[in-house]
Amino acid sequence: DSGVTQTPKHLITATGQRVTLRCSPRSGDLSVYWYQQSLDQGLQFLIQYYNGEERAKGNILERFSAQQFPDLHSELNLSSLELGDSALYFCASSVATGARNTQYFGPGTRLTVL
Amino acid sequence: GQQVMQIPQYQHVQEGEDFTTYCNSSTTLSNIQWYKQRPGGHPVFLIQLVKSGEVKKQKRLTFQFGEAKKNSSLHITATQTTDVGTYFCAGPHRDDKIIFGKGTRLHILP
Repeated sequence: DSGVTQTPKHLITATGQRVTLRCSPRSGDLSVYWYQQSLDQGLQFLIQYYNGEERAKGNILERFSAQQFPDLHSELNLSSLELGDSALYFCASSVATGARNTQYFGPGTRLTVL
Repeated sequence: GQQVMQIPQYQHVQEGEDFTTYCNSSTTLSNIQWYKQRPGGHPVFLIQLVKSGEVKKQKRLTFQFGEAKKNSSLHITATQTTDVGTYFCAGPHRDDKIIFGKGTRLHILP
């Protein structure tokens, strides 16, 4: 158990819908990262927050947005969903920001868009 | 842009055989990390290498960082069924981003 929690574990929805994925980082971690993992596509970095502020942005679509709240939990909002958005979405956390920090991954949310 | 390339993408080995995965970067890396993801699981941090030419061992796993800090390798000696999974390397990019390789999926044949 990494200490990072993600809800829900599974999500099935239809095209055009909007969903929100939730992540609670490890106690004491200030950074939260979001990744998308599609079949055979590795881990695609989406976005990072550090202590409530956006820190780094990856290949995140405009239909996707995220935020980190004062209690440091984070939400990833996915809207106008398309079939291709079906994937495993991981949240990770680290103590600080910077590439030398170990990232602790949550169990992931599996999103299926029908 | 910067890329972190991993080869091979897949590897099937007989239990007891050795396994190596390679990670190559187009630019010099300040550090490199390795993660393992078991089937159905989430990535788990294995190790971080920082120094040029660094070699670190964890039981049957040997990690190396190239002299030029542009490549790295993970070698597993005498693979076991518990080694099954996908091994990712990850290197830093600008703005504190970390770029993950696509991973090497290891299958063990009993």
